[in-house]
Amino acid sequence: GQQLNQSPQSMFIQEGEDVSMNCTSSSIFNTWLWYKQDPGEGPVLLIALYKAGELTSNGRLTAQFGITRKDSFLNISASIPSDVGIYFCAGQPFSGNTPLVFGKGTRLSVIA
Amino acid sequence: SAVISQKPSRDICQRGTSLTIQCQVDSQVTMMFWYRQQPGQSLTLIATANQGSEATYESGFVIDKFPISRPNLTFSTLTVSNMSPEDSSIYLCSVEGAGGTQYFGPGTRLLVL
Repeated sequence: GQQLNQSPQSMFIQEGEDVSMNCTSSSIFNTWLWYKQDPGEGPVLLIALYKAGELTSNGRLTAQFGITRKDSFLNISASIPSDVGIYFCAGQPFSGNTPLVFGKGTRLSVIA
Repeated sequence: SAVISQKPSRDICQRGTSLTIQCQVDSQVTMMFWYRQQPGQSLTLIATANQGSEATYESGFVIDKFPISRPNLTFSTLTVSNMSPEDSSIYLCSVEGAGGTQYFGPGTRLLVL
């Protein structure tokens, strides 16, 4: 089946630093989504991307839908302790009612 | 976005028993999904549940082990049957939003002894 390769697996950064993570696939996706999961919670949608080349921001978060439709990145600027969590990318291979494909997640730790 | 609740939030169960997890949404939705998240892992889709039809199961998941009900457009249940320790996971329901997005419930944390 289709897979998403998400990297890095984990990151340890100092508070105030910028963070970048990405997802790649060998297949084309119509939609890219980025989620954050806090301990003991379900994933929360951060950003949704629908068009190749689209660049979207949500506060300190910025994500882009790759031109080839096979990749996406998420940047977090000026990290703060509450950014700690697991970030998942997810893609929808086809339009309509098709299950999402999830990456394996990036575990972010922020050192104050 | 939809507001989704799950019951129970967590449970500890004995092997061989069954647990039914409930998922309630605050608005009518066509598609609901059930996922499993094993410790330290990503999300794996168990099945898609549409109201009025049989659930569609992903490879590796069968109806006898994970029966699903979808009696109306705001509610679904997932039963984990004849549990073993390998079923210890977080079980999450989600609903489809606009543009192919999905919104997740808080999850049910299951420990099987």
